[in-house]
Amino acid sequence: AQKITQTQPGMFVQEKEAVTLDCTYDTSDQSYGLFWYKQPSSGEMIFLIYQGSYDEQNATEGRYSLNFQKARKSANLVISASQLGDSAMYFCAMGRTSGSRLTFGEGTQLTVNP
Amino acid sequence: DGGITQSPKYLFRKEGQNVTLSCEQNLNHDAMYWYRQDPGQGLRLIYYSQIVNDFQKGDIAEGYSVSREKKESFPLTVTSAQKNPTAFYLCASSPVGQGNYEQYFGPGTRLTVT
Repeated sequence: AQKITQTQPGMFVQEKEAVTLDCTYDTSDQSYGLFWYKQPSSGEMIFLIYQGSYDEQNATEGRYSLNFQKARKSANLVISASQLGDSAMYFCAMGRTSGSRLTFGEGTQLTVNP
Repeated sequence: DGGITQSPKYLFRKEGQNVTLSCEQNLNHDAMYWYRQDPGQGLRLIYYSQIVNDFQKGDIAEGYSVSREKKESFPLTVTSAQKNPTAFYLCASSPVGQGNYEQYFGPGTRLTVT
């Protein structure tokens, strides 16, 4: 079974600063994918970034980067230069292969202060 | 534009009534998923389907039923057997194949049962 743990129910950051959202996972699979999604108050789920278990380089997408430490089973999301529009719920998720189920964590509510 | 549509956005029903939530996608994805989200919590998988006329139970399938008669459509029925049906329901889709691909989400349906 796969499990995702997000230990920060809420995080606060000043506008223009960087913030790290923690995610640890547990799986016995050798091949898996890790995902981060953003959920604004409107409820839609917005895909941010993906990291494959065999990818040697950390994934980056604009202001988002994924700090992947396989031995520690962690996949932290780093948001650089925070913006007010980054205030939302952030979910870490993992899955085996495309078309298989995703397992989600409980989420972290990020608030960006002006 | 390609995407996933869920209708309606808000749905109200009386206790004891079955209700069907619609989900349609024009992304030509083989896999479709239904998730339930309760306030302040993560997403839990109800059912998923990787191919037409086939589907699998997720973690919380009791009290729900689905059908997959067409590739584009994956309706979810919330039956009167579901003890706490009030929640936010999200539909998603993804390709099936080698590697990992993110799941694309619809805007969700907020169901309230009184």
